[in-house]
Amino acid sequence: AQKVTQTQTSISVVEKTTVTMDCVYETRDSSYFLFWYKQTASGEIVFLIRQDSYKKENATVGHYSLNFQKPKSSIGLIITATQIEDSAVYFCAMRERDNMGYKLTFGTGTSLLVDP
Amino acid sequence: NAGVIQTPRHKVTGKGQEATLWCEPISGHSAVFWYRQTIVQGLEFLTYFRNQAPIDDSGMPKERFSAQMPNQSHSTLKIQSTQPQDSAVYLCASSLDSYEQYFGPGTRLTVL
Repeated sequence: AQKVTQTQTSISVVEKTTVTMDCVYETRDSSYFLFWYKQTASGEIVFLIRQDSYKKENATVGHYSLNFQKPKSSIGLIITATQIEDSAVYFCAMRERDNMGYKLTFGTGTSLLVDP
Repeated sequence: NAGVIQTPRHKVTGKGQEATLWCEPISGHSAVFWYRQTIVQGLEFLTYFRNQAPIDDSGMPKERFSAQMPNQSHSTLKIQSTQPQDSAVYLCASSLDSYEQYFGPGTRLTVL
């Protein structure tokens, strides 16, 4: 069964710095998709960025980028020039392509606090 | 373009009562997913529809929980004889191409 692990429970950084959040996963599939989502204080879950396993290039969207290390089954999220509004809980998720469909398996989340 | 709509946002039921949660996916999205979020279990997959057909209900508790998608514009999650352990935030998500899923605001269910 697939598994997603986020070992960092919480991180605190100063505004305008760079932060990296870790995520490792387990899968038997040769093709899979990795996602990062952000949950704000209001509870809203927002899609941030996606990495396809067959792509060697790290995905980048705005000030979010990924550090995809396939041999290590690792997909880190990098946020550059952090802002106060980046304070949220960040979830790593994986989607395997199996016969049953396309459900997401989530990690336990990393809480990010950006201080002024 | 409206996002995923979930109603009600909050629901309080007494133990043993029924709860029905509604989800309106983003127009044009063919896949609808239901998840549950608790402090202890985190985000858990419940069930998934594609083009209104049930595809995967492997996360649904075998008893008391059921989900339907009678048309492309809404899905329901019904919990019969609610129990305190059913208290959670129930999240609906929809997807156009089965890649990114877009989440609704959730329904916070409290069972007293």
